[in-house]
Amino acid sequence: GESVGLHLPTLSVQEGDNSIINCAYSNSASDYFIWYKQESGKGPQFIIDIRSNMDKRQGQRVTVLLNKTVKHLSLQIAATQPGDSAVYFCAETFYNQGGKLIFGQGTELSVKP
Amino acid sequence: GAVVSQHPSWVICKSGTSVKIECRSLDFQATTMFWYRQFPKQSLMLMATSNEGSKATYEQGVEKDKFLINHASLTLSTLTVTSAHPEDSSFYICSAREPFGQTYEQYFGPGTRLTVT
Repeated sequence: GESVGLHLPTLSVQEGDNSIINCAYSNSASDYFIWYKQESGKGPQFIIDIRSNMDKRQGQRVTVLLNKTVKHLSLQIAATQPGDSAVYFCAETFYNQGGKLIFGQGTELSVKP
Repeated sequence: GAVVSQHPSWVICKSGTSVKIECRSLDFQATTMFWYRQFPKQSLMLMATSNEGSKATYEQGVEKDKFLINHASLTLSTLTVTSAHPEDSSFYICSAREPFGQTYEQYFGPGTRLTVT
């Protein structure tokens, strides 16, 4: 949902551990979800996406889980590396929105070496 | 892969002046571009949707006369912040979609840091 005025929650993990970043979305009609990674001073970078007809999708070291019942999305990063340190945003949209994305509040991931 | 550029990457201007930010799709044609604003430690807020050859659609609460958007070609959209004030200082990010894309994926530019003094 909208995240105006909110500040980022943070997640701190040890290098090599798995990370789980959570996101609650607002619109039950949303049918497409994307996870983005944003490094400081840069634009968002696509990580992985999932459609509403799926509940799990895997990429390289990343897995996205979708629970439509509770409108929850999660991003799992395996063997977290220092280079994974960034802010992670989920985004949602649905087909008649013309591709307009609504971003979640984001989570700042800090990886300790 | 699809690349979106922005210019300038940062700009400092005096209060009351206008600033133009360019967003270009470098290796594809973008019928739709989006403009976002991001304050420190906050999420991206969609400001407007820019469609080539037509007027932009602004989100609720965004002043269309202050944030002028022009999408004159399939590879260029511009955002002009008119009569800028310190509260307009922010990180402005554009994104673009490929026409007839199979997904809703947007390709983001690197952002433009605007500081109004």
